[in-house]
Amino acid sequence: SQKIEQNSEALNIQEGKTATLTCNYTNYSPAYLQWYRQDPGRGPVFLLLIRENEKEKRKERLKVTFDTTLKQSLFHITASQPADSATYLCALDGKKDSSYKLIFGSGTRLLVRP
Amino acid sequence: DTEVTQTPKHLVMGMTNKKSLKCEQHMGHRAMYWYKQKAKKPPELMFVYSYEKLSINESVPSRFSPECPNSSLLNLHLHALQPEDSALYLCASSQEGTSQINYGYTFGSGTRLTVV
Repeated sequence: SQKIEQNSEALNIQEGKTATLTCNYTNYSPAYLQWYRQDPGRGPVFLLLIRENEKEKRKERLKVTFDTTLKQSLFHITASQPADSATYLCALDGKKDSSYKLIFGSGTRLLVRP
Repeated sequence: DTEVTQTPKHLVMGMTNKKSLKCEQHMGHRAMYWYKQKAKKPPELMFVYSYEKLSINESVPSRFSPECPNSSLLNLHLHALQPEDSALYLCASSQEGTSQINYGYTFGSGTRLTVV
């Protein structure tokens, strides 16, 4: 069966350190993978999109890697701040017929301690 | 305008009621989506509209009925819901139709639905 797993349900780190979140998938061949941030009671907010032919993407303090051989994406937040505390969701396309649909992993709750 | 607006923000309804959730975007996005999210779970896809036509129904019970009156509006009509349908209902839109994806989705803040 198809699965998207984010290995850590929760991650606690000290302010200033790099947070690394993992997303693994099975029985998918996604054309792209996305990362979102979600705060309690709010909708997810898009952060980064990476395509299957891209190895790495950066945006400010964020970096995403995508390894289609390992079926894994890593999401890094460098110089983390307490304001980065949130749930981070990876999502990939589960193509149905000719339509893309975005399927989410279970999420990792990140807590950055001051 | 770079937002997806959902109304109402909160809704409490009885199991015999009929209500509707509304979603609006003015970004010219061509695809719109309904997701359901239970506490501490990821969003689960319910319906996809592409160019105002229903393209995906994820085997959602018929007590949920989507409608896309025009390219900016998406409704979700609710009838005879069960308490287990209580959840955060999220609307999203994306720039292209669903045949390709180059940009992320834009989500609304959701409607918190409680069925009593």
